Amino acid sequence: GNSVTQMEGPVTLSEEAFLTINCTYTATGYPSLFWYVQYPGEGLQLLLKATKADDKGSNKGFEATYRKETTSFHLEKGSVQVSDSAVYFCALLLRDSNYQLIWGAGTKLIIKP
Amino acid sequence: DAGVIQSPRHEVTEMGQEVTLRCKPISGHDYLFWYRQTMMRGLELLIYFNNNVPIDDSGMPEDRFSAKMPNASFSTLKIQPSEPRDSAVYFCASSFGVGYTFGSGTRLTVV
Repeated sequence: GNSVTQMEGPVTLSEEAFLTINCTYTATGYPSLFWYVQYPGEGLQLLLKATKADDKGSNKGFEATYRKETTSFHLEKGSVQVSDSAVYFCALLLRDSNYQLIWGAGTKLIIKP
Repeated sequence: DAGVIQSPRHEVTEMGQEVTLRCKPISGHDYLFWYRQTMMRGLELLIYFNNNVPIDDSGMPEDRFSAKMPNASFSTLKIQPSEPRDSAVYFCASSFGVGYTFGSGTRLTVV
């Protein structure tokens, strides 16, 4: 079946460290891929997306590249800030799926000053 | 645009009472999704609508849960009777195409 697997958290880093949160997927066909972020006490917000292989999504210093050969969409940021502390969700969407997202379990990120 | 608006933000109720959660999607969005989030189960899709019509309610946990979308600008999720295990944050999201917009959620506590 279709699924998304994220690295388990929490991930704890110091400010200005390099961040990678791994995401791999299993899907029939060619999905679109997303990263959502949930700050404490808030709903999920779209962070970035990529709709086809080799696309790179980017926003707020975060990047992720759609790698079809490794079925991955790892989230990266060169220098994290305390304000990046949140839960990050990887998700995929299949065509003809009534726009229903398939979600990863989420990875909690903690940035220490 | 005010985004997806959910009410109330917090709800505390006694076991056995009826609870109604409300959602106003973004104007022009044709999909509406109800999710439940808990520490144990993570994010669960309960039901979703397309053009006000329920498409898939297989995620609704029990007959105690029901959802309606009487028009394009309003949806409700009702729990009757409520139980302590229903305590969670309930999110509504709407979309037009691939981008979802989530509301801020309703934190439900059933005591």
